[in-house]
Formats: sequence, structure tokens, C-alpha cells
Amino acid sequence: DIQMTQSPSSLSASVGDRVTITCRASQDIRNDLGWYQQQPGKAPKRLIYGASSLQSGVPSRFSGSGSGTEFTLTISDLQPEDFATYYCLQHNSYPRTFGQGTKVEIK
Amino acid sequence: EVQLEESGGGWVQPGGSLRLSCVVSGFSFTNFAMTWVRQAPGKGLEWVSSISSTSTYTYFADSLKGRFTVSRDNAKNSLYLQLNSVRDDDTAMYFCARERYEALTSSFDLWGQGVRVIVSS
Repeated sequence: DIQMTQSPSSLSASVGDRVTITCRASQDIRNDLGWYQQQPGKAPKRLIYGASSLQSGVPSRFSGSGSGTEFTLTISDLQPEDFATYYCLQHNSYPRTFGQGTKVEIK
Repeated sequence: EVQLEESGGGWVQPGGSLRLSCVVSGFSFTNFAMTWVRQAPGKGLEWVSSISSTSTYTYFADSLKGRFTVSRDNAKNSLYLQLNSVRDDDTAMYFCARERYEALTSSFDLWGQGVRVIVSS
């Protein structure tokens, strides 16, 4: 099974900050990675697919990069509605595996 | 409007069974693989199972094999998850999601709001 190691598990940031979250796969997953945002009590929402393609309707301050085993989600100019938990998910093979999640909190 | 709506959750005793349903609308259900994801209270997301568009292929998390089954009825635009021999650690919110293939990869682009399952004696 492919293990996804996501870091950090939590971070504190201020509105306007630039935030970076990293996911590392235990083996090469090409660009078969998505990033998902989850607000408390809500369903997850897709932000990024194919490692770097932005979901329609998602603000351009969200961006994804990487391929192979190292991936990054960057939020530039953090907004109040961005305080949430973020997960990476590998779609390369079964079983699908999520990262442990990163909770972005207000400093 | 595109929509995925789960139902069938509730309280069940350890060792019992429950069937979750996910009814979709607003898109051609027969064209998409579907997935179940769960989230235990205060925990992260856990992929549970996926099923191909024609039910030819099904996949399960290793820890769940033999206890859960997944199925779909394309005529009813419905996805199902049968939970058998449930345990305390099956307590979670269960989400259904659509799997979309694009840009030479796949991802879960649409999600239902979830249905809660509580396993307790």
C-alpha cells in the first residue's frame, strides 16, 4: 500500500500569510494526487486534482505542485474562509490513501 | 442541480448490520465510478471502498474486507454500502463521492453531505 505522509499536522497563520503544506508518497505516484479542504462539520471539497490542476471555482490563491513522491499545496494571501483542514489523497492505486491532514488555524 | 444524498445511517449494536445508500441526481450516474469515504469522530478521512461504473470492479480498504460490501443500481442512480459485523471503530460519518477521470488522472470531485453511523451497545 502507498503511504502518504503529510506535514505539518497543524499550523497557525494570519490573514494574508502564505502557507505551504507538503505530502510525501512512499512510492512514485506520478501526478495522481488531489488536495481536499474540509470545513468543520462539512463534507470535503476538491481543490486540486492531478497534483496541479485547479478545480473550477476555487480561488487562484490555491496552487498545487509536485510529481512522483513530493507534493505541495500553497495558499497565498490566506483568507478567513481558508481556515480549515486540508488533506492530500493519492489516486494512483488501490487502496486509496489520504494524508493525515493539516489543520490551518488562526494565529 | 448535481447532488449526492446519503441515507440509512443511525445507531447499530456491535455485530449488527446496516445498509447505507447514496442517491445521485443531476449527472449520468452510469458514467462514473463511485466511492465511500469515512471519518471517525475527531479523526482524518479514510477511504473505504470504490466501485466501477458497471460494477465490474470493487475495491476495499484492507481492514474492511469481508465485512463490508459495495454495490450500485444504475437504474436507480443509487450506490450502496452494506456494513456487516460492525465494530465500535466503525462509528463514523460516511461520505459518498463521485470519481472523475480527467487530465489523465482521477479524483473525487463531488461529495455528499454524509451520513452518521454510531456503533454502540
